[in-house]
Amino acid sequence: DAKTTQPTSMDCAEGRAANLPCNHSTISGNEYVYWYRQIHSQGPQYIIHGLKNNETNEMASLIITEDRKSSTLILPHATLRDTAVYYCIVRTRGGGADGLTFGKGTHLIIQP
Amino acid sequence: DTEVTQTPKHLVMGMTNKKSLKCEQHMGHRAMYWYKQKAKKPPELMFVYSYEKLSINESVPSRFSPECPNSSLLNLHLHALQPEDSALYLCASSLHGGLGALYGYTFGSGTRLTVV
Repeated sequence: DAKTTQPTSMDCAEGRAANLPCNHSTISGNEYVYWYRQIHSQGPQYIIHGLKNNETNEMASLIITEDRKSSTLILPHATLRDTAVYYCIVRTRGGGADGLTFGKGTHLIIQP
Repeated sequence: DTEVTQTPKHLVMGMTNKKSLKCEQHMGHRAMYWYKQKAKKPPELMFVYSYEKLSINESVPSRFSPECPNSSLLNLHLHALQPEDSALYLCASSLHGGLGALYGYTFGSGTRLTVV
């Protein structure tokens, strides 16, 4: 699986859009970008994933650059409950049951 | 039911004790996982069960013994642990194989283990 690089921490004001970057310059053609988050003392939660097109769901939007070497997770109207560690993970979609490998992630702090 | 349930939520055990962590899901997932998470660190994969058979053991010490009695249950048996084994133990499940990666992994809230 390709390695990812994320900022250690970020702040965002409540009600504003939170934009979390992720670099994955060694991503290969069959690897997807996944985002999970972990709120304090809870298990990680799936947010969104994509291959090359931009994706949107009820939680967030995922913007992937045309060369696929980086992506941005966007939380459109951040609330205090969005304070969490956000993990960007790159992996193939197929294959056996092999679990997720987490990097250090970005600690997003939403300020009131 | 779209949850992974872990019990107990908190556990304190002595180094000579034997205890077990339990994980349960009723989503029809055929892959189940144990992770260990130390404070301020990301989760680390310990074991993977696929169709009730152990498929991955990430060089975990033998004082941790996983068991998958059926497709809905996953246990982690603990014996002779050390204080450095204190951590949050997370269970997760997924549809097997490529479908699991497509639809994501569902995690439980974990068991906070303290070894004294």
